[in-house]
Amino acid sequence: EVQLAESGGGLVQPGGSLRLSCEASGFTVSNSYMSWVRQAPGGGLEWVSLIFRLGNTAYADSVRGRFTISRDSSRNTLYLQIDSLRADDAGVYFCARHHDGDWIDSWGQGTLVTVSS
Amino acid sequence: QVVLTQAPSASASLGASVKLTCTLSSGRSSYAIAWHQQHPDKGPRYLMNVNSDGGHNKGDGVPDRFSGSSSGAERYLTISSLQSEDEAVYFCQTWDTGVWVFGGGTRLTVL
Repeated sequence: EVQLAESGGGLVQPGGSLRLSCEASGFTVSNSYMSWVRQAPGGGLEWVSLIFRLGNTAYADSVRGRFTISRDSSRNTLYLQIDSLRADDAGVYFCARHHDGDWIDSWGQGTLVTVSS
Repeated sequence: QVVLTQAPSASASLGASVKLTCTLSSGRSSYAIAWHQQHPDKGPRYLMNVNSDGGHNKGDGVPDRFSGSSSGAERYLTISSLQSEDEAVYFCQTWDTGVWVFGGGTRLTVL
């Protein structure tokens, strides 16, 4: 069974940093296309970043240069390093697996990021 | 860049059927999409992908009451024999070169 478990969210001051983790089971992260998707309070879903099977990456314009997606094959874990946090980065961050590079076919339960001074 | 448009809300009675629509932006009528369901304070759940010819493949455990179809730039999710647990927000999702895009979501109320 495919399972995704996010962690690492919390309260951070504007300008601060955070590293989110997504531990996967039931499949191999390094053989998959994996994304981070976020949801502002009461809002819709926004794709943030994706890492391809070969390790290259893609980012939404709103986060490029501040967020870094990566993975650790030995831990079967996906990461999102978030730097220079802004108020509009607040929300629940979900990790997701893609069917090839197309649709998302599995989701985690999310981890909450709160940005406040 | 591709844009997906969904009505913000829909409602239907318990036991009835409802058809939710996701519209692809101009020039993207050949694109496939996926439907996802989200209950309050939960992570989304993948329901199915829908191709431009209406073909669809459902995720594990998705009831037969859920089906997908297409017409032109519109992609549909039909839920029949509505149950109370179908009350949720439904998002469509597609992809283009280097970007993955979501519609704004339709909040379905089961009356």
